[in-house]
Amino acid sequence: AQSVAQPEDQVNVAEGNPLTVKCTYSVSGNPYLFWYVQYPNRGLQFLLKYITGDNLVKGSYGFEAEFNKSQTSFHLKKPSALVSDSALYFCAVRDPQNTGFQKLVFGTGTRLLVSP
Amino acid sequence: GAVVSQHPSWVICKSGTSVKIECRSLDFQATTMFWYRQFPKQSLMLMATSNEGSKATYEQGVEKDKFLINHASLTLSTLTVTSAHPEDSSFYICSASDPRPYGSYEQYFGPGTRLTVT
Repeated sequence: AQSVAQPEDQVNVAEGNPLTVKCTYSVSGNPYLFWYVQYPNRGLQFLLKYITGDNLVKGSYGFEAEFNKSQTSFHLKKPSALVSDSALYFCAVRDPQNTGFQKLVFGTGTRLLVSP
Repeated sequence: GAVVSQHPSWVICKSGTSVKIECRSLDFQATTMFWYRQFPKQSLMLMATSNEGSKATYEQGVEKDKFLINHASLTLSTLTVTSAHPEDSSFYICSASDPRPYGSYEQYFGPGTRLTVT
């Protein structure tokens, strides 16, 4: 069964500095990987996804993520953080080869706090 | 992009009553919808997978008689919390799966419904 790990409960960064939110995954086949952001009392907003192709994926709001198959990682990055990026970030994986292939498995979430 | 709505956005009900939450895909047809539950400061827990015209598939540990799911059309799924109790208070989020482009089945999430049972 697929799984996702987000090892950091919270990441603190100063505005203007680069940020990284870590994610590692485990699937039996080739993964579909996703990052979502959640603001308080709101649903999830899609940031980016990796299906196939270029390992560096660019998404919404200046975020990007790099798929690393050997390290089974899909870390979320942004070159220059904004205070408005403060939110809860979820990494998710889908295993398209498995039964229930549409199901997403989420990590536990990482709270990003960007200080002015 | 695809839009999914939920109604109501928040609801307060008394213990023992039932509450219905609607999830609609506004600009695409969703053969599959998902219902999640999220506790404060925790991740999303998949409750069930809802397929249009058939019975929902519930995850292990989710009471199907308590959380009734109906997916009557390609754009609407409903979750009814029956005989609600305070421990059912939570944030409920739905998502709808869009098969376009071919085979992508990307999930689009609703804004969530905050249920408080008093």
